[in-house]
Amino acid sequence: EAAVTQSPRSKVAVTGGKVTLSCHQTNNHDYMYWYRQDTGHGLRLIHYSYVADSTEKGDIPDGYKASRPSQENFSLILELASLSQTAVYFCASSGDNQDTQYFGPGTRLLVL
Amino acid sequence: GDKVKQSPSALSLQEGTNSALRCNFSIAATTVQWFLQNPRGSLMNLFYLVPGTKENGRLKSAFDSKESYSTLHIRDAQLEDSGTYFCAAEATANTNKVVFGTGTRLQVLP
Repeated sequence: EAAVTQSPRSKVAVTGGKVTLSCHQTNNHDYMYWYRQDTGHGLRLIHYSYVADSTEKGDIPDGYKASRPSQENFSLILELASLSQTAVYFCASSGDNQDTQYFGPGTRLLVL
Repeated sequence: GDKVKQSPSALSLQEGTNSALRCNFSIAATTVQWFLQNPRGSLMNLFYLVPGTKENGRLKSAFDSKESYSTLHIRDAQLEDSGTYFCAAEATANTNKVVFGTGTRLQVLP
């Protein structure tokens, strides 16, 4: 069974609207991450978290907020979605800071 | 992107042949991870490396932190090896905060 799940798997949003992407992991991992992938490019880190109730800024945090209400759940929030935020978003988890990252299936977001 | 450069950017192989992918780092990488993104978009972890080498089946990877590079060797390429290979380097020790390269798109031909 998939240990990192994301919802929704795809979404169409309007410019200026609020979007919430959800990630759930059953790996019992402390570390969770949100990345975005643009067509033909690698992944860029938006936010990450080492522990529940705490989040850290990644390399491209502007325009995004994150929430880690529990060890299992990590959300990415776009308060005012913009066209430039059209991308595929991946969530990942890892057991500690010396462990590979395990990815969810991705969420395809289209902002119109 | 620029901190982690992958080469080649794209590659076609005949089934059964061998190849090597490379990552060069302009950051002081402490660990390296390799991933395969299959044609459906799913990301699978292949290796987590501290300086040294690891082998798993037809795949072998090496990481040289002093020379700032990592390689991924594919032996006896199969059709299911097709996809995009990404390396990701940890720039700050013990954080697991990584920087991804832009990938090598591999197509294995029958």
